[in-house]
This record gives sequence, C-alpha cells and structure tokens, in this order.
Amino acid sequence: DAGVTQSPTHLIKTRGQQVTLRCSPKSGHDTVSWYQQALGQGPQFIFQYYEEEERQRGNFPDRFSGHQFPNYSSELNVNALLLGDSALYLCASSLGFSSGNTIYFGEGSWLTVV
Amino acid sequence: GESVGLHLPTLSVQEGDNSIINCAYSNSASDYFIWYKQESGKGPQFIIDIRSNMDKRQGQRVTVLLNKTVKHLSLQIAATQPGDSAVYFCAANGNNNDMRFGAGTRLTVKP
Repeated sequence: DAGVTQSPTHLIKTRGQQVTLRCSPKSGHDTVSWYQQALGQGPQFIFQYYEEEERQRGNFPDRFSGHQFPNYSSELNVNALLLGDSALYLCASSLGFSSGNTIYFGEGSWLTVV
Repeated sequence: GESVGLHLPTLSVQEGDNSIINCAYSNSASDYFIWYKQESGKGPQFIIDIRSNMDKRQGQRVTVLLNKTVKHLSLQIAATQPGDSAVYFCAANGNNNDMRFGAGTRLTVKP
C-alpha cells in the first residue's frame, strides 16, 4: 500500500522564479492538502483539493496555486518566489472532504530559494 | 484566532522512563486531534488520534488524553526508547477543514 509520495525531494530556485511540486495521495484517498513547514515551526495549511477543486485555503497569497487531477494527484505551484518561501512543503491526503478525517503526510519537498 | 501550542519546546527523558508531552488548543469547535512524530528530514508520521467524544485513547505504548474543559491534550509514551527521539506535534481541526499545528516539542531520550 503506497503512502503519500512527493517529488522532487529537494530543489533550489532563484528569487522570482516559479516552482511546481507534485504529490500522489495514499492509495484510496481522494483529498489532498498542502502545508508549508518553515524550519523549527509546525506545518501551516496552504489549501485543500477535493474533486479537482480548491475547497479550503489558508492565509497564503495568490502566488500559491494548485491543481488536482482526475487520478487525485495534485500539484502545488508557487510564482515569483521569495527568499521567505524556503521551506519544507508537505502534501497530505485523506479520504473524503470533511473535518475529522485522518490525514497522512508525505516526506515533503525541500525548497530553497536563493 | 485559532491556535495550537505545546507547553514545552524540549523534553529530555531517560531511556525506559515514561514521557508526557502536553498541548493546548484555543478553538472550542475543534473535535478531532492528532499527534504526529517528525524525525529529522522526514515528514510528520501519524501516531494516534482522538475525537472529542472520547477522553482517552490508547495505542501501542502511547496514550492520548483529552480534556475538553480546559482545551488540553497530552501524549504519553511508555518505556521511552532512543527511537522515540523526534519532534512531536499535536494538531487540532480548524474551522477551514484544515489541521492546525503547534510548534512542536523536541523529545530527546538519553541512554
């Protein structure tokens, strides 16, 4: 049973560039959430996708966007990268769109902006 | 606003002792809570969860206690082992169907 998988695991980008991160949910899960984790902090909710639509969004600017595909996989896009976007980006999946469903995390994508 | 916080950023215990990690949350509407373990360089790993209709839930060597009156939960680890060394996060569901995380407690197990 495959867990949540993310790619790439590490990447370095320059300020102003754009980045796309990818996520495949745990087998059987249909809901994907993205979190940003800065060094020494807990994960912060970016947004959640269900049925290929953004359902909920945290306090992140429009530079952060996403997409969910019919196979439930998802992408996170960040435009006009800032140094402060350097963080671990975590994808989490769950079954069903409702509060109170267990969410499982991938190992994350480490983004460094220089 | 909603917040989740842990009482101590670090905890050091002797191998074999029991560990207790505490967490407070602010949103009275939160009804689902999860404890995660995060090792260096890895994503958060699910440990145990509890819903608000329960006060206590036990897993293998772990117990979560929930006190809704004071909005507090704790994670107890029995017979702590070196492999338990990690950062532990509590998370509570927020108003936006998201999980709100505290800053984490770093548990160090001394041999």
